[in-house]
Amino acid sequence: GENVEQHPSTLSVQEGDSAVIKCTYSDSASNYFPWYKQELGKRPQLIIDIRSNVGEKKDQRIAVTLNKTAKHFSLHITETQPEDSAVYFCAAIKPESNYQLIWGAGTKLIIKP
Amino acid sequence: NAGVTQTPKFRVLKTGQSMTLLCAQDMNHEYMYWYRQDPGMGLRLIHYSVGEGTTAKGEVPDGYNVSRLKKQNFLLGLESAAPSQTSVYFCASSFDAAYPMNTEAFFGQGTRLTVV
Repeated sequence: GENVEQHPSTLSVQEGDSAVIKCTYSDSASNYFPWYKQELGKRPQLIIDIRSNVGEKKDQRIAVTLNKTAKHFSLHITETQPEDSAVYFCAAIKPESNYQLIWGAGTKLIIKP
Repeated sequence: NAGVTQTPKFRVLKTGQSMTLLCAQDMNHEYMYWYRQDPGMGLRLIHYSVGEGTTAKGEVPDGYNVSRLKKQNFLLGLESAAPSQTSVYFCASSFDAAYPMNTEAFFGQGTRLTVV
């Protein structure tokens, strides 16, 4: 079955710098890759996603890139701000199992003032 | 539009007691899920449902049962609570067949359960 690995588990960056979180997946049939943000004590919420027919997607300070050949996708946050501090989860979905998200273990992002 | 609502938000149980967590969604979603999240950990799938009347085991189903008698509700039961079940429980739902390209999962606010 599908397996998603996420790195690093913790990332500490200076405010204003960029942060990059990477996920790798095992099943080449996976075609949808969302990223969720979970602030302390809150529920996970979708922040950006990408489908396998697209290589990059941007939304203001966040972007996601997908390398289908290498089977990895990354979340990029530029000009980090204190409110970016949270746990970020990546996930993958296979087309024949639209219902089941396979989750990465999460990355705790710490923004240092 | 309430989205996904979980009840209760907090609960303390004694070992051996039973309880039911209720998840309700008003987005006409086909799929519903129960996850547990331990401190500093990721999301682990307990059980899920792909439609009314169906349920399936996830990654960590032992000690839990579920039911999906109505499309909008997904119940998680603990028959005999154990301290190892102390966790935050999240319900989620996704996939409206009318909008098949929208696969976003929406989460409830979580239930913090402590078993003593």
